[in-house]
Amino acid sequence: GNSVTQMEGPVTLSEEAFLTINCTYTATGYPSLFWYVQYPGEGLQLLLKATKADDKGSNKGFEATYRKETTSFHLEKGSVQVSDSAVYFCALTQRAGQGAQKLVFGQGTRLTINP
Amino acid sequence: DAGVIQSPRHEVTEMGQEVTLRCKPISGHDYLFWYRQTMMRGLELLIYFNNNVPIDDSGMPEDRFSAKMPNASFSTLKIQPSEPRDSAVYFCASRQGAAGANVLTFGAGSRLTVL
Repeated sequence: GNSVTQMEGPVTLSEEAFLTINCTYTATGYPSLFWYVQYPGEGLQLLLKATKADDKGSNKGFEATYRKETTSFHLEKGSVQVSDSAVYFCALTQRAGQGAQKLVFGQGTRLTINP
Repeated sequence: DAGVIQSPRHEVTEMGQEVTLRCKPISGHDYLFWYRQTMMRGLELLIYFNNNVPIDDSGMPEDRFSAKMPNASFSTLKIQPSEPRDSAVYFCASRQGAAGANVLTFGAGSRLTVL
């Protein structure tokens, strides 16, 4: 079945540090890949997505590249801010059919940025 | 657009009581999803609807859980009787269209505590 494995947290960094959160997946076919972010007390919101191999999703300084050969979708940001403190979820769906309705999440990585 | 609206935001109840969680999806979205988030199990899909019809309820834990969607603008998740292990944050999410790349919009969640 489909699954997502994320780097275990929590991750604590200083402001302006470089961030990488690893994500690998197992899926049949070619899934769509997502990063969602959850700020304290809020629901999940989409951060970025990629729908085919070699696509790069980007938003708010975050980037992730869909790597089919390594089945990975690592999240990166060159210089983090205190406001980036949140829980980050990697997720996938199939592109069509029943599997397209089931967003499979990783366990989440809690990120704390210190000033 | 006000986004996906959930109520109540917080509920504390005693074991054995009935709990009803409510959700108003984004207007025009034809898919609605109920998720549960716990520390131990992460995010789990409980059930989803398409055009108000339940499509897949395989994630519903047991018969104590039921969900309805009487119209396109309202859904409920009911737990009767509630148990302490049901304590979790319950999220409602909605989406337009069947494609796996389409983005889910989440509500802020309902935090349930069963004593």
